[in-house]
Amino acid sequence: KAGVTQTPRYLIKTRGQQVTLSCSPISGHRSVSWYQQTPGQGLQFLFEYFSETQRNKGNFPGRFSGRQFSNSRSEMNVSTLELGDSALYLCASSSGTSGSLYNEQFFGPGTRLTVL
Amino acid sequence: AQSVTQLDSQVPVFEEAPVELRCNYSSSVSVYLFWYVQYPNQGLQLLLKYLSGSTLVKGINGFEAEFNKSQTSFHLRKPSVHISDTAEYFCAVTLIQGAQKLVFGQGTRLTINP
Repeated sequence: KAGVTQTPRYLIKTRGQQVTLSCSPISGHRSVSWYQQTPGQGLQFLFEYFSETQRNKGNFPGRFSGRQFSNSRSEMNVSTLELGDSALYLCASSSGTSGSLYNEQFFGPGTRLTVL
Repeated sequence: AQSVTQLDSQVPVFEEAPVELRCNYSSSVSVYLFWYVQYPNQGLQLLLKYLSGSTLVKGINGFEAEFNKSQTSFHLRKPSVHISDTAEYFCAVTLIQGAQKLVFGQGTRLTINP
């Protein structure tokens, strides 16, 4: 069974631009969560989607948004990029009929975003 | 709100020595507890989780952790480490009820020396 895939793996953008990251969950998984990992702030929860609906949200500004498609694939968008948005963005998928986060989450390799 | 503190940012040990990575959490309500490992340039992999039942939890790669409710701790142990255990380890919690999101500690970098 293929794991969680994220594209692209590396991305370089400049301040003010916007970016879209993509995540394909494990086949059959309906819950997708996004996390930001930085050396200073560590791993922080962005949001979780289940059946195309945002179920949980972290404490990030509205510049960070996401969506989930009917095939469970998810995209994350960051508008008006700032230098501080440079980070590794991790996507995780989980199974379970409820989509609750305590089901094991399987993480992708991440997308490394650099904002210049 | 819940929080997680990993007491050591770096832990160097010799190969075949035992290791303990410490994790304390804070929450006014019951939580589920997890340990994840991150190898260089990779995502996170679940080592083990505590949901309920026995407070001693066994995970992959010979790791185990003990949930101590009175001390709000969930320390990770391995009796004999290998070079391949070199990685960053993250402790995480999530609420049993209510808004569920993983809250991570800052991580502990485990370095195994030959």
